[in-house]
Amino acid sequence: QVQLQESGPGPVKPSETLSLTCTVSGYSLSTGNYWGWIRQAPGKGLVWIGSIYHTGNTYYNPSLKSRVTISIDTSKSQFSLRLTSVTAADTAVYYCARDSPTYDAFDVWGQGTRVTVSS
Amino acid sequence: QSVLTQPPSASGTPGQRVTISCSGSSPNIGSNYVYWYQQLPGTAPKLLIYRNNQRPSGVPARFSGSKSGTSASLAISGLRSEDEADYYCASWDDSLNGHVVFGGGTKLTVL
Repeated sequence: QVQLQESGPGPVKPSETLSLTCTVSGYSLSTGNYWGWIRQAPGKGLVWIGSIYHTGNTYYNPSLKSRVTISIDTSKSQFSLRLTSVTAADTAVYYCARDSPTYDAFDVWGQGTRVTVSS
Repeated sequence: QSVLTQPPSASGTPGQRVTISCSGSSPNIGSNYVYWYQQLPGTAPKLLIYRNNQRPSGVPARFSGSKSGTSASLAISGLRSEDEADYYCASWDDSLNGHVVFGGGTKLTVL
């Protein structure tokens, strides 16, 4: 059974860097999949942040691209998100998800981790 | 402002058929597949429809999707109380080197 779990350091101060890791179990990151990050601000809709292939190829949301880096470590079964220069607008629940080659869509999601940007 | 436009709310009574629309444009829905996700309160989204009208295993046949031109719809027949949730459409957008776009979401209330 494929499972994804987000983890991160907790609250982040404005202008600092948000770093999150998604640990995948029950599935190899080296399989031909993209892995994605999606966020949801309080009371708002879903926003795709970006996706990464096991080879390291990435796609980013154009509106976040200048601040986002997604990386992958297949040996640790993890992929990570870095978002620089955060503001209160980056406060959200952050989800990691598997982009399934069977469905061409995010078919397995982590439970989400809430990140608050506050001084 | 989301790239894909959905009505903010929809409602229906148990047993009724409800549809939720999703409007896009040429680089997204007009050129690519549409996907639908269901998000129950306090939980992560769940894939409901893929490639316009396909259901992943385990999704009841009460849920169906369709696409025409630059618009798509999700239909739920035989509405149940447990269908009360937020529904999001999504698609790939070919502009700006390509990216995933979501609709703003529709909150479905079962009266």
